[in-house]
Amino acid sequence: ETGVTQSPTHLIKTRGQQVTLRCSSQSGHNTVSWYQQALGQGPQFIFQYYREEENGRGNFPPRFSGLQFPNYSSELNVNALELDDSALYLCASSQQSGHGDTQYFGPGTRLTVL
Amino acid sequence: EDKVVQSPLSLVVHEGDTVTLNCSYEVTNFRSLLWYKQEKKAPTFLFMLTSSGIEKKSGRLSSILDKKELSSILNITATQTGDSAIYLCAASGRDDKIIFGKGTRLHILP
Repeated sequence: ETGVTQSPTHLIKTRGQQVTLRCSSQSGHNTVSWYQQALGQGPQFIFQYYREEENGRGNFPPRFSGLQFPNYSSELNVNALELDDSALYLCASSQQSGHGDTQYFGPGTRLTVL
Repeated sequence: EDKVVQSPLSLVVHEGDTVTLNCSYEVTNFRSLLWYKQEKKAPTFLFMLTSSGIEKKSGRLSSILDKKELSSILNITATQTGDSAIYLCAASGRDDKIIFGKGTRLHILP
């Protein structure tokens, strides 16, 4: 196990609702990255937080937002959920700002949007 | 647009065979290439490659990066049923983004 935890493990929401996913990084890690993995696809980078600030963003709309807290844990918030948001959401922590540093993944949150 | 392409997308071999998985990348300000194994949920780290031509090994797995060809391979020798998984290749580039390929689904028959 990597020491990265995510909650909840599964979540079912309806279209238009809002969701918050949580991630606790591995001890000593100050960077958290979030990914969306649709079925049969590789993870897609959503954004990264380094020392409580957004430090890079992928091609996701503004309704995907995040936070990082002083203890380096992080939240991913998704507003106005759409059916296509159904996916496995992975967070990964690393020690520096993600310049190819090894990332350790959490077990993921499976989100289903009905 | 930055992209990572893996081939083949799926592969079925018999236990004991050797397999080679391919990864090519086009990433602005390339920094490193990473390989992960994904069995159920969380991808687990295998290798990080930053220098061209230097092979990294871990047991029966090995990987090498070719910066001239913008590619990498992952070799698995003497495959076992426990090697069945999705193997993900990722490249890190500008703005600290890490771009993943779609993965190669490997199935090892007993």
